[in-house]
Amino acid sequence: DTGVSQDPRHKITKRGQNVTFRCDPISEHNRLYWYRQTLGQGPEFLTYFQNEAQLEKSRLLSDRFSAERPKGSFSTLEIQRTEQGDSAMYLCASSLHQGAGETQYFGPGTRLLVL
Amino acid sequence: GNSVTQMEGPVTLSEEAFLTINCTYTATGYPSLFWYVQYPGEGLQLLLKATKADDKGSNKGFEATYRKETTSFHLEKGSVQVSDSAVYFCALRRNNNDMRFGAGTRLTVKP
Repeated sequence: DTGVSQDPRHKITKRGQNVTFRCDPISEHNRLYWYRQTLGQGPEFLTYFQNEAQLEKSRLLSDRFSAERPKGSFSTLEIQRTEQGDSAMYLCASSLHQGAGETQYFGPGTRLLVL
Repeated sequence: GNSVTQMEGPVTLSEEAFLTINCTYTATGYPSLFWYVQYPGEGLQLLLKATKADDKGSNKGFEATYRKETTSFHLEKGSVQVSDSAVYFCALRRNNNDMRFGAGTRLTVKP
């Protein structure tokens, strides 16, 4: 099964450190999304790519956050100078762009804990 | 703005009971509507979807009908099983690709 994969699954870091997460989408999917999910809440959209182009960023994505998808395949999400409020599950999803009803397929997530 | 409101949990049912999880939405235009399920320790999985008014999505015995007049997309199942225990998320997506999720409803089914 070649679903969406994310690495690492868990990350513990100290406040002020930088962290980077990786997402590998389903191979034929041209869209890739990043979400953040905190305890007891649904996922919140952060940003998305179509191929290598970053087309939309949420206001939630502060300037400490940066995402890339250099070759239109895997993506990385970096958080600089982490804060305790960054502790959350970071979810990646991918889809094949096809209009209404386009389905996003989610990875297992990376759980970040900032001490 | 676009938003989804779903029934607060947790919901606890006995096996073979009838399930309803309410979901209402606010959106301009005509969003697509989704139910995702998250089993313990796993990622979100698409359960069912509907793309226009009066469409019924169905999968694994679950159903939901897109009701434009009541802006609702309630999830139902006639007879739940222990294996249905999970967190269920209602979501909407407009053509701007921004998917909005509800807060999730945790379902526990007891034997």
